[in-house]
Amino acid sequence: SAVISQKPSRDICQRGTSLTIQCQVDSQVTMMFWYRQQPGQSLTLIATANQGSEATYESGFVIDKFPISRPNLTFSTLTVSNMSPEDSSIYLCSAGGGTADTQYFGPGTRLTVL
Amino acid sequence: QKEVEQDPGPLSVPEGAIVSLNCTYSNSAFQYFMWYRQYSRKGPELLMYTYSSGNKEDGRFTAQVDKSSKYISLFIRDSQPSDSATYLCAMSESSTGFQKLVFGTGTRLLVSP
Repeated sequence: SAVISQKPSRDICQRGTSLTIQCQVDSQVTMMFWYRQQPGQSLTLIATANQGSEATYESGFVIDKFPISRPNLTFSTLTVSNMSPEDSSIYLCSAGGGTADTQYFGPGTRLTVL
Repeated sequence: QKEVEQDPGPLSVPEGAIVSLNCTYSNSAFQYFMWYRQYSRKGPELLMYTYSSGNKEDGRFTAQVDKSSKYISLFIRDSQPSDSATYLCAMSESSTGFQKLVFGTGTRLLVSP
């Protein structure tokens, strides 16, 4: 298995600002992902964080809004840029492969944009 | 039409009941199936994963996959109040769980003492 931590666990931000969320895995993993879970809804994949190269974004998500970094096999960041109230959501990091036998999730970051 | 359909519930049962949670899907390329449990204000916790049709058992939990009907189920025996949570099914076109997952909307389960 893999144990995943995220920082911050929650934040309240002002419109127009940016927030960077950190994801740390306790072992080396092949794949890392970022999902969004809007209130009362299920999880939607934002992007795959690729180690050493640009992230792969899903339809409807763009790099300028959600820049992602993955400098090594255990760490990734997601930035939510130029935030609006519509960005209020839970952002979840997941990881799998390598020493992890399947895909595991972090505890999430609860973001509220005023 | 969503790729994965799941009844949002809530599903209310008394303690000790057998619970059946289900998902249907439309994408015949899905071949890896997972169930996560999510408590309020927590991240999804992996319960079970399976590749191929058939049954897989782990303690009080049994996962069942019927690819011919595009239908998966999770059974919980002897349900406990601590099982009260939202249960999410997830699927992947990959033969492993390391790739993109498509989730159902989740079924909220309430087990009363």
